[in-house]
Amino acid sequence: GQNIDQPTEMTATEGAIVQINCTYQTSGFNGLFWYQQHAGEAPTFLSYNVLDGLEEKGRFSSFLSRSKGYSYLLLKELQMKDSASYLCAVPILGAGNMLTFGGGTRLMVKP
Amino acid sequence: NAGVTQTPKFQVLKTGQSMTLQCAQDMNHEYMSWYRQDPGMGLRLIHYSVGAGITDQGEVPNGYNVSRSTTEDFPLRLLSAAPSQTSVYFCAVTAGSYEQYFGPGTRLTVT
Repeated sequence: GQNIDQPTEMTATEGAIVQINCTYQTSGFNGLFWYQQHAGEAPTFLSYNVLDGLEEKGRFSSFLSRSKGYSYLLLKELQMKDSASYLCAVPILGAGNMLTFGGGTRLMVKP
Repeated sequence: NAGVTQTPKFQVLKTGQSMTLQCAQDMNHEYMSWYRQDPGMGLRLIHYSVGAGITDQGEVPNGYNVSRSTTEDFPLRLLSAAPSQTSVYFCAVTAGSYEQYFGPGTRLTVT
């Protein structure tokens, strides 16, 4: 089966750096995704990691360690608009390109 | 382009009623899916389709039915609504690189 764990809530200060962790268990691995979801809106794609290491995309970076079943999303220079839920997801084995999601981490950015 | 559209945006049903949630895409992608999102549980896959005429069950298919007669449309039917089906429903389209584009969601309440 597949299992994804991430913290429920985090709080950080505007301008700071925050790291959101995700651990996963899966019998096969085909990449890890991060999505952002603002309250009342649909999730939007942030990143996709399939190889170990850090992928940087502007203020957001995502890291993957396949041997440890671990990923993190790093948000730099936090802005108020970064207040949202961040969802970690992996493909469901045998279900095409469909995803199984963690419960999401709700990030609150304070002034 | 509208991307992924869903109707209705809000719906209230009584226990035992049936209804169809509509999903349409103008992105010409083969893979489409339905997820439900409940507080603290992330998104869970209900049904998915890898092309017209082909559908399959996801993680939580009971109580739901789907069909895929065209590439553009992927309706989700609730056969006999139950309070446990109160949720936010998202339709998604998968691009070739696994990235999923979500519709705006349908907020369903079953009383």
